[in-house]
Amino acid sequence: QSALTQPASVSGSPGQSLTISCTGTSSDVGGYNYVSWYQQHPDKAPKLMIYDVSNRPSGVSNRFSGSKSGNTASLTISGLQAEDEADYYCSSYTSSGTLEFGGGTKLTVL
Amino acid sequence: QLQLQESGPGLVKPSETLSLTCTVSGDSISSSSYYWGWIRQPPGKGLEWIGSIYYTGSTHYNPSLKSRATISVDTSKNHFSLKMSSVTAADTAVYYCARVLEAARLGPDFDYWGQGTLVTVSS
Repeated sequence: QSALTQPASVSGSPGQSLTISCTGTSSDVGGYNYVSWYQQHPDKAPKLMIYDVSNRPSGVSNRFSGSKSGNTASLTISGLQAEDEADYYCSSYTSSGTLEFGGGTKLTVL
Repeated sequence: QLQLQESGPGLVKPSETLSLTCTVSGDSISSSSYYWGWIRQPPGKGLEWIGSIYYTGSTHYNPSLKSRATISVDTSKNHFSLKMSSVTAADTAVYYCARVLEAARLGPDFDYWGQGTLVTVSS
């Protein structure tokens, strides 16, 4: 069982917005602004989409945004596109000086 | 352009030691102050952080794997390595090496990844 909890699946229609949550504790997500989000297409390496809760690396579409409230971080994808269909993982730094991942969320574009 | 490439045996016998190397090209491990990490993904499952190493050799490990995992860096060869002892079928996974985005910080933000290598534990 993963330390960070994500919904197993979410779905949306093209053009819609949707949000994926990532719930931890005050020892990880809630305690630090070191939360990242990854997108992973089948048989591909993960791609960093968001870091430090809400920052986008160069080249990542501004349709992707991140936020945090308490012990829960969120990834919002606006203007959903077919190419967004993938698995999404959150990750956080912890008070033990370690890193952890969420269990992953499968996004389906209807 | 920074590139990472994992290499090592694709098949390891149970109870033996898994050994992988991540060769870095396009940058020097010794001259850039970054953390480098190993992450794995069992078939059909999620990502698991194994551990990270600073260019100085300082390491951090997933507590659930710490007793079996050892990460080291060889700056002369510009690569870092993973050894995992006493493997079982549960260690079958795609193993990725990666670099953290922000220099001098152990963060969960890996921006450069290798393509991954499948390691199967089976007799």
